[in-house]
Amino acid sequence: SQQGEEDPQALSIQEGENATMNCSYKTSINNLQWYRQNSGRGLVHLILIRSNEREKHSGRLRVTLDTSKKSSSLLITASRAADTASYFCALQGSSNTGKLIFGQGTTLQVKP
Amino acid sequence: GAGVSQSPSNKVTEKGKDVELRCDPISGHTALYWYRQSLGQGLEFLIYFQGNSAPDKSGLPSDRFSAERTGGSVSTLTIQRTQQEDSAVYLCASSYMGQGDSPLHFGNGTRLTVT
Repeated sequence: SQQGEEDPQALSIQEGENATMNCSYKTSINNLQWYRQNSGRGLVHLILIRSNEREKHSGRLRVTLDTSKKSSSLLITASRAADTASYFCALQGSSNTGKLIFGQGTTLQVKP
Repeated sequence: GAGVSQSPSNKVTEKGKDVELRCDPISGHTALYWYRQSLGQGLEFLIYFQGNSAPDKSGLPSDRFSAERTGGSVSTLTIQRTQQEDSAVYLCASSYMGQGDSPLHFGNGTRLTVT
């Protein structure tokens, strides 16, 4: 299956702590993207990492990609209560032109 | 500018009725996607448009589901003879190029409830 599998399914931390979410997949990819979804809303794009990249940063977000292990991680540093949301990885397979397949998501709760 | 707009935001329908869901993408975005999300679940890919054509409609669950896009802009997703298992949030997204390396911009979805 092209779908990413996310781990953990749910994560609860205290404000100020770091949160790490992982995404594993089985096929070859062109890129991997991370999205955030607040309850009852659409998804918001966070960061895109291409298959020839190993790490990208955006503010408090750090994404790594290991194509040999077919896995990616999203690290949120110094978490805030406002980071509470569901986080999804999405894969663009190397054989597809535009289709993005999403994982099941990680639900993050940051306690104030 | 305006984001992706979906209407209606909520739809309650009786089993067996047809429904139409509408998506207005961001102006200038050539690619448009439909996904379905059941409660507490991830996103299930339904169909993807590049311009007015659909290179990939592999995710449509059955022949009761169809979608079209006209003028490279507005898209409608039609579900005929709705069933209770069709209840979900239907999300639309658009992107600039649709080659997979442009981020998707999502609407807030249509929550469909089939009674």
